[in-house]
Amino acid sequence: ETVMTQSPATLSVSPGESATLFCRASQSVSYNLAWYQQRPGQAPRLLIFGMYGVYTRASGIPARFSGSGSGTEFTLTISSLQSEDYGVYYCQQFNNWPLTFGGGTKVEIK
Amino acid sequence: QVQLQASGPGLVKPSETLSLTCAVYGFSVSSNSYWGWIRQPPGKGLEWIGTLSHGGNTYYNPALKSRVTMSVDTSKNQFALRLTSATAADTAVYYCARRSGDNLFDPWGQGIRVTVSS
Repeated sequence: ETVMTQSPATLSVSPGESATLFCRASQSVSYNLAWYQQRPGQAPRLLIFGMYGVYTRASGIPARFSGSGSGTEFTLTISSLQSEDYGVYYCQQFNNWPLTFGGGTKVEIK
Repeated sequence: QVQLQASGPGLVKPSETLSLTCAVYGFSVSSNSYWGWIRQPPGKGLEWIGTLSHGGNTYYNPALKSRVTMSVDTSKNQFALRLTSATAADTAVYYCARRSGDNLFDPWGQGIRVTVSS
């Protein structure tokens, strides 16, 4: 299976600063990579996904979230962090079976 | 807007079958659609369990395939998960979700915590 590795495990960021999260795949997943946000006590929600070379934000997701990467290396950038952005972020590849998720990056208040 | 709500026993005994249902609101499961189950063990990441089509086609995680059955009940507008021979390793929050696009999941239900213990 395709193993997804996220780094760092924890990221401490002050409000208003930017955050960069990384996701690495054990084999190529092309552009077929999604990011989810999970706030404490809530279900994950889809943030952004890549497909056919383009990254698209899910409905209602603000423009401060952006994604990039292809193959095995991917990045989620959150510019100017807001209080509601703190939580755990997961990447998911949907190029290979079985579908797999990364272990998550916790974004906490610095 | 689509909403999902998982339900079922919060406690299952070891070796018994874990059975959950997911009620869907705002969308017909008999329409051209796909639905999934994902779980999250305590303090850990997410694990895809399987995906089910409106027509009953299923796609399971090979790690769980021998124990998993997913089904759809169009009369109740819901779908179900059965996981046989439960062990403590199956203790997790179980989420149901709609497959959006190409094997993405959006939205997710609120999740149900299931503990496997005697």
